[in-house]
Amino acid sequence: GDSVTQMEGPVTLSEEAFLTINCTYTATGYPSLFWYVQYPGEGLQLLLKATKADDKGSNKGFEATYRKETTSFHLEKGSVQVSDSAVYFCALSLDTGRRALTFGSGTRLQVQP
Amino acid sequence: DGGITQSPKYLFRKEGQNVTLSCEQNLNHDAMYWYRQDPGQGLRLIYYSQIVNDFQKGDIAEGYSVSREKKESFPLTVTSAQKNPTAFYLCASSTDRDLSGGYTFGSGTRLTVV
Repeated sequence: GDSVTQMEGPVTLSEEAFLTINCTYTATGYPSLFWYVQYPGEGLQLLLKATKADDKGSNKGFEATYRKETTSFHLEKGSVQVSDSAVYFCALSLDTGRRALTFGSGTRLQVQP
Repeated sequence: DGGITQSPKYLFRKEGQNVTLSCEQNLNHDAMYWYRQDPGQGLRLIYYSQIVNDFQKGDIAEGYSVSREKKESFPLTVTSAQKNPTAFYLCASSTDRDLSGGYTFGSGTRLTVV
């Protein structure tokens, strides 16, 4: 079945460090890919998305490129801030089969001042 | 402002009791979803509905029930048959025709068995 695999956390960085959170997927078709962010005690917010191969999604300094050849959608940010501390979820959707998003297990990011 | 409202934010259930979690949206979205989140884990799909008066089981539907009598509302009942209901419950909605836009999420309900 379709699945999303994320790197395990927590990821602990100092402020202004470079961030990469790895995400790979398995899907029977051509999915749309998403990154969501969850702050403590809250729901998930859409951070960025990409709907086809080689698309780059970007928002708030975060970016991710849809790599069909490596089935990956890694999240990156050049300089993290303490306020970026949260849990990040990678997800996919397909136009066929079950019409619901499939989520990875989430990666907790802790940014220290 | 359009959005999804989940209530209550915190809910306590006694053993053997049914409880209902509310989810209301004013986004005019066709599809609505319920997910369960356990500490340190991802989101697992409980039920989803693509249209009024129709819904499908997700991966962990046992011990839960839903209804979709109105487009705006998708309540989730956690029944006494759910043996481990303590979790964070998230409701979401989307336009059904195209999931490439992703979901809009509510702020969640934290359910605790006492």
